[in-house]
Amino acid sequence: RKEVEQDPGPFNVPEGATVAFNCTYSNSASQSFFWYRQDCRKEPKLLMSVYSSGNEDGRFTAQLNRASQYISLLIRDSKLSDSATYLCVVKSNTGKLIFGQGTTLQVKP
Amino acid sequence: GAGVSQSPSNKVTEKGKDVELRCDPISGHTALYWYRQSLGQGLEFLIYFQGNSAPDKSGLPSDRFSAERTGGSVSTLTIQRTQQEDSAVYLCASSPFWGETQYFGPGTRLLVL
Repeated sequence: RKEVEQDPGPFNVPEGATVAFNCTYSNSASQSFFWYRQDCRKEPKLLMSVYSSGNEDGRFTAQLNRASQYISLLIRDSKLSDSATYLCVVKSNTGKLIFGQGTTLQVKP
Repeated sequence: GAGVSQSPSNKVTEKGKDVELRCDPISGHTALYWYRQSLGQGLEFLIYFQGNSAPDKSGLPSDRFSAERTGGSVSTLTIQRTQQEDSAVYLCASSPFWGETQYFGPGTRLLVL
């Protein structure tokens, strides 16, 4: 079983739609959680950290469920520019970052 | 300020040749990481350096892979006797300290023919 698992998609949604991605992790001792965004043929960039209480940044909402060991990312009012691959990242208890395979989002006009 | 830079941006080589990939981290960042990303795959951790500590080499796939970090700054990833399965994007990242947010370079696209 992979340490961090994501549905690779692709998720094809129309502009304005709300879309949610989930990610599960296997190590219950994991400390921190992040979502990174990776555009085609570009490097990953930090999108947002994920806090236990949940956090929001504009149209993006991240949530953590420690009991079920999953993380979610919700994107409201999708834009064409949101099209990218979203990487779920878990920081292990040793401090190492473990990346998921990524979920591809394609927003259509 | 300047971000993480990598060179070359693209490298085509023949099977069996050695290649060197370079990474210049963000100035002042003590931690440096190397990852590999194959087509359609997630990031595979290779090696990391933290200050003057011994590097964590646990992700290196074989003894053909090695890395150095000179003077606590620039790092070089060397792949000896390249194989076709080594073809991938090699990404370097740095962070102020181990375990903090990582900033990635643009990567080196390696193609082994």
